[in-house]
Amino acid sequence: QITLKESGPALVKPTQTLTLTCSFSGFSLSTSGLAVGWIRQPPGKALEWLALIYWDDDQRHTPSLKSRLTIIKDTSTNQVVLSLTDVDPADTATYYCARRPDYYDSRGNPVVFFDYWGQGILVTVSS
Amino acid sequence: QSVLTQPPSVSGAAGQRVTISCTGSSFNIGEGYDVHWYQQVPGTAPKLLIYSNINRPSGVPDRFSGSKSGTSASLAITGLQAEDEADYYCQSYDSTVTDWVFGGGTKLTVL
Repeated sequence: QITLKESGPALVKPTQTLTLTCSFSGFSLSTSGLAVGWIRQPPGKALEWLALIYWDDDQRHTPSLKSRLTIIKDTSTNQVVLSLTDVDPADTATYYCARRPDYYDSRGNPVVFFDYWGQGILVTVSS
Repeated sequence: QSVLTQPPSVSGAAGQRVTISCTGSSFNIGEGYDVHWYQQVPGTAPKLLIYSNINRPSGVPDRFSGSKSGTSASLAITGLQAEDEADYYCQSYDSTVTDWVFGGGTKLTVL
């Protein structure tokens, strides 16, 4: 059974660094092809992909936030940590972590979608 | 403004068929990138509904189907049920923003 769960602070002050942890079970991030990503959703708004880390430590970040985002993995503890620096009220959102499965298209290109999601954690940025 | 455009809302009577469109461009769907669909019941996490345009994960009813043509994709739901009332999001890759992108979401109301 595959599960993911986000943890971290519910409230962060502006300009601080937000650090979230995704703890997962049922798979290993040392397995070829797998990845874990972070997606957020401001209240009442659409989903926004933030970052992705692959089994081989390859990382992708959304360009608009790249300078503020860090994603790391710890395969020994089955955790992925996302850090977002210099937060602003606009960063208030529910943050989800999710698994990207090992899947490729007919041309052999990796395809990114998310088959298992955590329950999400609401983070409010306010002084 | 997402590069993938979805209608804000659709509705249909129980038992009927509805479709939700996801319109992109030659830099995402039209460039051949796969489209994926998620269902999000309010207050819960998104759930994968369709991956790579037409594929259903195990456990997703065959009332849900996906298609793709040109720069657009569609999600069709037949035999609408009250439990289908949710927000639906499409997702793909866009080469101009070099980013995985979600559509703005569509709220489905079952009348």
